[in-house]
Amino acid sequence: EVQLVESGGGLVQPGGSLRLSCAASGFTLSYYWMHWVRQGPGKGLVWVARINPDGRSTSYADSVKGRFTISRDNAKNTLYLQMNSLRAEDTAVYYCARLGSSGWNLFDAWGQGALVTVSS
Amino acid sequence: DIQMTQSPSSLSASVGDRVTITCRASQSISGYLNWYQHNPGKAPKLLIYAASSLQSGVPSRFSGSGSGTDFTLTISSLRPEDFATYYCQQTYSTPTWTFGQGTKVEIK
Repeated sequence: EVQLVESGGGLVQPGGSLRLSCAASGFTLSYYWMHWVRQGPGKGLVWVARINPDGRSTSYADSVKGRFTISRDNAKNTLYLQMNSLRAEDTAVYYCARLGSSGWNLFDAWGQGALVTVSS
Repeated sequence: DIQMTQSPSSLSASVGDRVTITCRASQSISGYLNWYQHNPGKAPKLLIYAASSLQSGVPSRFSGSGSGTDFTLTISSLRPEDFATYYCQQTYSTPTWTFGQGTKVEIK
């Protein structure tokens, strides 16, 4: 069974840092592009970042560029999101998502999310 | 960025009702449109991809249509487990794949 499990969320002060992890099981992580998507309180889903299978190519939403870093350790089947210089508006549930391999751009597996709260 | 606008933002319906949700793109996205179902505290679930293709394992009461800028998700006969929030997503403009703001389907 394909499974994605996020961890590392919590309460952090503005300007602080946090690292999220996404543990993958039931498939070979190294074959897939992976993404992070977030949902702020009372808001919709927003794409945050993506990384290619070997980790050499990344892209970010303008709102997090220069502050967040997506990375992966395929040997550990784990995806990461390093979040620095956190702001109140980064408060959200963060989901990792797998880009399907069908040839169409779609997220065919998601985690249940990790809550990040940025507040003093 | 391409903006995605869903309507309505919320709706109330009864079990057995036919429900239609609309998604409009700010520019043509051809057929690069997905639909997801999301319940609080759970992982979002892919329902429809490429505007009208049903994801494996998704019940046939879900269907999608449209192309260009206007798209529709239809639930032919609402079941209790369908009460959730639904999101459209465009994947035409890489890498910023934007979502609609969501449509919450509530029990009448």
